[in-house]
Amino acid sequence: EDQVTQSPEALRLQEGESSSLNCSYTVSGLRGLFWYRQDPGKGPEFLFTLYSAGEEKEKERLKATLTKKESFLHITAPKPEDSATYLCAVQGYGQNFVFGPGTRLSVLP
Amino acid sequence: ETGVTQTPRHLVMGMTNKKSLKCEQHLGHNAMYWYKQSAKKPLELMFVYNFKEQTENNSVPSRFSPECPNSSHLFLHLHTLQPEDSALYLCASSQDNVRGGSNQPQHFGDGTRLSIL
Repeated sequence: EDQVTQSPEALRLQEGESSSLNCSYTVSGLRGLFWYRQDPGKGPEFLFTLYSAGEEKEKERLKATLTKKESFLHITAPKPEDSATYLCAVQGYGQNFVFGPGTRLSVLP
Repeated sequence: ETGVTQTPRHLVMGMTNKKSLKCEQHLGHNAMYWYKQSAKKPLELMFVYNFKEQTENNSVPSRFSPECPNSSHLFLHLHTLQPEDSALYLCASSQDNVRGGSNQPQHFGDGTRLSIL
């Protein structure tokens, strides 16, 4: 059975304090790993797709990386507007998305 | 409008009521999904439609009834719900290349916040 865990559950950073969020997964054949951002009262907003180990994607202050067992979302010099819940999802061959519980990020000014 | 639109945004209903949630996608996708999001729990997949055909029913109680009249519209019909059904219901869509799923990202609407009295 495909599984996704995320850590930490919650993270509080000062503005400018870089850090990383972790997504660990077990899947029978990875077709894709997906990162989303979710603001309160909103639906998840798609950020990145990673397809194979060693792949990296960047967008503004965010950088996602992938290994065979986990993915990291690195946040460089975060700003208060980066505060949100970050969700990770995996898809195995022929299977639907399996989501992790998310990491709630707060960036203080 | 662009993206995925869900209506209503908020719904309060009694356990004996019948209501429907609506989802419309303007992305030209051919797969649509219903998810349930409860506090402190990961998103739970409920139903999947590929090319208007239901391909997944993730052990959802019969008080939830989906309908997909075309590839742009998805409904979730609700009747005789229980208090534990209170949650955020999210609709998503994606571009599928083959039946049974693809590795394209899903795009979500902002959900309907459902409260059962």
